[in-house]
Amino acid sequence: GAVVSQHPSRVICKSGTSVKIECRSLDFQATTMFWYRQFPKKSLMLMATSNEGSKATYEQGVEKDKFLINHASLTLSTLTVTSAHPEDSSFYICSARDRTSGSSEQYFGPGTRLTVT
Amino acid sequence: GQNIDQPTEMTATEGAIVQINCTYQTSGFNGLFWYQQHAGEAPTFLSYNVLDGLEEKGRFSSFLSRSKGYSYLLLKELQMKDSASYLCAVPSGSARQLTFGSGTQLTVLP
Repeated sequence: GAVVSQHPSRVICKSGTSVKIECRSLDFQATTMFWYRQFPKKSLMLMATSNEGSKATYEQGVEKDKFLINHASLTLSTLTVTSAHPEDSSFYICSARDRTSGSSEQYFGPGTRLTVT
Repeated sequence: GQNIDQPTEMTATEGAIVQINCTYQTSGFNGLFWYQQHAGEAPTFLSYNVLDGLEEKGRFSSFLSRSKGYSYLLLKELQMKDSASYLCAVPSGSARQLTFGSGTQLTVLP
């Protein structure tokens, strides 16, 4: 149980284009999902907290107009990188917390490797 | 805010025991997580400590001292596949979002 999927697993796009990454909780409902970014050999950096049915909460320094987050259902959150640039190339990981669980445990997706050329 | 410290790198020999330390400073405490992450993959859950003491789970054990703001992950009978990054993380805030330490890259040598 507690499986989170991400799609796509890898994507290459050209500068100036937009890319959408999907995060789905497959066997549980998640009112809260999280989006992280990870650079090579670095730790996970929280970008934003995605709340079902409301606006996402962005961490300091993360541009909300560049990283659009939509959490339209209890099992799906999307991250859209708009007008992508090479510096946006990174490993993006989502996680989700089971709405029925009282713990803080998060279940992680397998990640999406974004390369902007 | 949260501040989490752990060593950047560690090296150990196959079959040995290694202890990875993590110190934290946080406003309010809601437990501490340890995750394992292989390169290019998502983190996988190892342990969650909310009370003081040692919790053993097979070859992996995790210890917590809330008064000292200190935790460690103990790996026994090391195997080559244990070479990975080990991340400690603490939840905080209304959404209990995780703040991760920098990660400890463990290399297991034959």
